[in-house]
Amino acid sequence: EVQLVESGGGLVQPGGSLRLSCAASGFTFSRFWMTWVRQAPGKGLEWVANIKEDGSVQYYADSVKGRFTISRDNAKNSLYLHMNNLRAEDTAVYSCEGGADADYWGQGTLVTVSS
Amino acid sequence: QAVVTQEPSLSVSPGGTVTLTCGSSTGTVTSGHRPYWFQQKPGQAPRTLIYDTSNKHSWTPARFSGSLLGGKATLTLSGAQPEDEAEYFCLLTYSGPWVFGGGTKLTVL
Repeated sequence: EVQLVESGGGLVQPGGSLRLSCAASGFTFSRFWMTWVRQAPGKGLEWVANIKEDGSVQYYADSVKGRFTISRDNAKNSLYLHMNNLRAEDTAVYSCEGGADADYWGQGTLVTVSS
Repeated sequence: QAVVTQEPSLSVSPGGTVTLTCGSSTGTVTSGHRPYWFQQKPGQAPRTLIYDTSNKHSWTPARFSGSLLGGKATLTLSGAQPEDEAEYFCLLTYSGPWVFGGGTKLTVL
C-alpha cells in the first residue's frame, strides 16, 4: 500500500522556522519527482515546490522563493521542506505529492504562523 | 508566475452533463502544459482524476473525461452522480513550476 505521511507541522511565531518531513512507502520513491502543495484554511490548492528524482533540480513558487528549501533523501525515502522567515500567510496544511502522474497524496500537516 | 482560471462554481442535475474549464493567463492551454484535474471533498486529500490532458487513473470513474477545447483544458462529467459533488482543481505545468487554478465548486442538485 502506498503511503505518504507528513510530519513536523505546528505553531510557530512570525519570522520563525520549521522543517516538514514526508515519509514515503509502497512505491519506488527515488524514481519520481516529488512536490509540496499547501492549502490555507478554506482556500484552494497552492503549489509550493518540487524536486527532481535525484535532487539536482528544484522549482519554487514566487511566494516562497528564498525562504523555503525542498530536499530529499532517497536512502530514507523521505522528502523535506525547510521553511524560514515564516509569515502569517504561510499558515496552511502542507501536503506532499508524488508518483508518475500525481498518483499519490499525503493527508498533510498543519502549519500555523501566529504570535 | 502565470494565473490559471476556473469557474468559481457550477451546478449540474443528477444524470446531467457539465464541463469545467481551465485557462491560462499566458494564452492557449496546450498539451505541453500537461493539464491535470483533481477532485477534493471536504476534509479529504485531493484525488487525481485526469493527467496529461485526458489520461485517467485506474480509480477515475468513466463518466469523467478531459480534453482541450477553445484554448482551454476541460473536464467533462457525463451522467453526474450525487457523490460527484466536490471541488475540482486544475493544474498546469510551465516547464517545471506548477500553477493550480482557484477551483470550481460543483454542486449536484
